Amino acid sequence: EVQLVESGGGLVKPGGSLRLSCAASGFTFSSYSMNWVRQAPGKGLEWVSSISSSSSYIYYADSVKGRFTISRDNAKNSLYLQMNSLRAEDTAVYYCARDLVRGSLWFGMDVWGKGTTVTVSS
Amino acid sequence: QSALTQPASVSGSPGQSITISCTGTSSDVGSYNLVSWYQQHPGKAPKLMIYEVSKRPSGVSNRFSGSKSGNTASLTISGLQAEDEADYYCCSYAGSSTHVVFGGGTKLTVL
Repeated sequence: EVQLVESGGGLVKPGGSLRLSCAASGFTFSSYSMNWVRQAPGKGLEWVSSISSSSSYIYYADSVKGRFTISRDNAKNSLYLQMNSLRAEDTAVYYCARDLVRGSLWFGMDVWGKGTTVTVSS
Repeated sequence: QSALTQPASVSGSPGQSITISCTGTSSDVGSYNLVSWYQQHPGKAPKLMIYEVSKRPSGVSNRFSGSKSGNTASLTISGLQAEDEADYYCCSYAGSSTHVVFGGGTKLTVL
């Protein structure tokens, strides 16, 4: 079964750091680009970051650029999001999602995890 | 304020058809055939319903269809069913600077 499972969320103070992980199974992880998408409480979806299959291409939303770092370990079938200098407005459910087309980006996200909740509050 | 504009809500009766619009600009929807649509039930992860404007992933009902004209994309759901009640989000590639933009979401109510 194709599956993504996020972990690492929690409560953190403003200015703090958190590292999210996403464990992939049931498909050839190293062949697909991956994404992080977040959803603030009661709000819509917001794209956060994307990484190509070999980590050659990395992209960030302006709202997180310079504070968040996306990475992956294809040997461990895992995707990561290092989040630093966290703000209250980063509070959200964070989803990892697979890109639809093997080796490409931007076509759509066809496999999603259930999400992990990040709360930034003092 | 979201980059793509969707109506906040739409409604329809079982069996009817509804259309959800998604208005962007010439920098996103208007320039690329990389519009996708997602369905999200409360407390659940989003589900891909349409990609590349009008293509359906395997397993998605053919009651769901997508189209685009100029800067506006549309999702049409025909033969409405109770289980279609959910939030729907459009998404578009927006070029090498902005990359990806989502719409604000549309709540579909099946009356």
